[in-house]
Amino acid sequence: RKEVEQDPGPFNVPEGATVAFNCTYSNSASQSFFWYRQDCRKEPKLLMSVYSSGNEDGRFTAQLNRASQYISLLIRDSKLSDSATYLCVVKPDTGFQKLVFGTGTRLLVSP
Amino acid sequence: DTAVSQTPKYLVTQMGNDKSIKCEQNLGHDTMYWYKQDSKKFLKIMFSYNNKELIINETVPNRFSPKSPDKAHLNLHINSLELGDSAVYFCASSQVGEGHTGELFFGEGSRLTVL
Repeated sequence: RKEVEQDPGPFNVPEGATVAFNCTYSNSASQSFFWYRQDCRKEPKLLMSVYSSGNEDGRFTAQLNRASQYISLLIRDSKLSDSATYLCVVKPDTGFQKLVFGTGTRLLVSP
Repeated sequence: DTAVSQTPKYLVTQMGNDKSIKCEQNLGHDTMYWYKQDSKKFLKIMFSYNNKELIINETVPNRFSPKSPDKAHLNLHINSLELGDSAVYFCASSQVGEGHTGELFFGEGSRLTVL
């Protein structure tokens, strides 16, 4: 089983739609969780951290379910500029900084 | 100002050659990394250095040798290049420890093509 698994997509949605991505992780001792965004042929960039109580940043909401080892990202009112690959990222343990990336979920927002 | 810069951005070379990629960060971070992103877009850590000390060394062939002359620089040298080494190599940096999120800041990537 991969350490971090995501549905690769692509998710094709119209502008204004709400879309949700899911991610599961295998190590129950994982400490920290993030969503990164990667545009085509660009470097990944942090979108948001994921906190235990869930957190929101504008149109983006992240949730964490430790019992099910599951992370989600909800995007409301999708914009064309949201088209990208969304990477679920997990820090597996308390050891030194090692982030494990999922393979990413591709989102295509169309007019 | 570019925070994490790596050179070259593109590299096309023949099998068997040796090549290097250089990385520099001006963020004052103490930890730097090399990640490899293959054709399936899977991003996997290769090495990590903290204050010039190697702290993460994933299962990577000995042909790959990182070098950190100081905490702002991390270079990657690859000997005897193979077809399977074709990928995008990303350098990244972060500041770890109390009060820091550990966010990774990536360079723009170095696209290596081995013919």
